[in-house]
Amino acid sequence: AQSVSQHNHHVILSEAASLELGCNYSYGGTVNLFWYVQYPGQHLQLLLKYFSGDPLVKGIKGFEAEFIKSKFSFNLRKPSVQWSDTAEYFCAVGGNNDMRFGAGTRLTVKP
Amino acid sequence: GAGVSQSPSNKVTEKGKDVELRCDPISGHTALYWYRQSLGQGLEFLIYFQGNSAPDKSGLPSDRFSAERTGGSVSTLTIQRTQQEDSAVYLCASSLGGHTNEKLFFGSGTQLSVL
Repeated sequence: AQSVSQHNHHVILSEAASLELGCNYSYGGTVNLFWYVQYPGQHLQLLLKYFSGDPLVKGIKGFEAEFIKSKFSFNLRKPSVQWSDTAEYFCAVGGNNDMRFGAGTRLTVKP
Repeated sequence: GAGVSQSPSNKVTEKGKDVELRCDPISGHTALYWYRQSLGQGLEFLIYFQGNSAPDKSGLPSDRFSAERTGGSVSTLTIQRTQQEDSAVYLCASSLGGHTNEKLFFGSGTQLSVL
């Protein structure tokens, strides 16, 4: 089965700083890639996904992610973070049969 | 239903007792997943049900863990002889067709505390 690595466990930024969260996966077949977000006290919800076409995908709230097949990566980016982006972010990979998640990255944005 | 429903929302139990956690997926969703969320461990895959196919149990951490899905709808995760390390949030998610390009809809989880 596929595996997912998120290298940043906790990221602390000031408002307006740029964000990039790393995600690498291990899987030999065709993958579908996701970023989910969990705001404090809320359910996990989908931020964006990639399964074909343009490797640069745009999601809600100004987030985007780029699929680089040669690097097995799907990093999440946002040019200018806001205090309301404080949350936990999970990268996920859908492989042949199921969906696996990374360990998550906690983002704290200081006002 | 309107969303994925999990019960109970909180469960406190004594070490050695058995617990049952329930998940009611969105009506019509054929795929159902169980994950465990622990501090510092992220989302750990436990088990996956897809339609009438045999479930993928590869994530269950020990034989104390089992899960069923009756009638292709409600699922129950059972943990026997609970241990303190079982303390975590147990999340259930469902998707419409079970294809891995579909988004998952998550429940609010069951917070399990083993004393």
